Amino acid sequence: QKEVEQDPGPLSVPEGAIVSLNCTYSNSAFQYFMWYRQYSRKGPELLMYTYSSGNKEDGRFTAQVDKSSKYISLFIRDSQPSDSATYLCAMTRTQGGSEKLVFGKGTKLTVNP
Amino acid sequence: EPEVTQTPSHQVTQMGQEVILRCVPISNHLYFYWYRQILGQKVEFLVSFYNNEISEKSEIFDDQFSVERPDGSNFTLKIRSTKLEDSAMYFCASRNNGGGDGYTFGSGTRLTVV
Repeated sequence: QKEVEQDPGPLSVPEGAIVSLNCTYSNSAFQYFMWYRQYSRKGPELLMYTYSSGNKEDGRFTAQVDKSSKYISLFIRDSQPSDSATYLCAMTRTQGGSEKLVFGKGTKLTVNP
Repeated sequence: EPEVTQTPSHQVTQMGQEVILRCVPISNHLYFYWYRQILGQKVEFLVSFYNNEISEKSEIFDDQFSVERPDGSNFTLKIRSTKLEDSAMYFCASRNNGGGDGYTFGSGTRLTVV
């Protein structure tokens, strides 16, 4: 089983739709849970992060973590064409005093005007 | 806003040649990383670096790879003898604190091995 699983899509929605992006993970040692946005041939850009189970809201974006189910989600309300990008989930893991990020494969989202 | 700068943005090299990818991390950051992303695949961890030494490396980071912080500002990734399968986007990242908002990524270097 892969450490972090993410449906790669692609996902195509009309403008204004609610988008739901999800990841599952297998390692209960993951500590922080992040969502990054990545445009073609660019570096990941942090959208949101959470630590504990529950919801965190930032404008049109809501990040949700369920540690008991090892499941995280990102919801985008009132999606806009400018939201079109690849969305990557990522999690921090500390091992032997060293921390790193483990990424999902990314979901490519297109919001059509 | 502080940023991580990577050069060059694109490098084409012949198989078997050595390449050096350069990064300037954020100045007060202490932890440095290289990740790579093969086209269509996920972002993969290569190596982490702290206090002038490697703190962790992945299976991908074999003897062909090395990292260095030569002058206190640059952080480099060297590939000694490039292979076709080394073609990928290489991202440098740095962080100061742990936690979810600590990491900043550069825009990447696209390496093409021909």
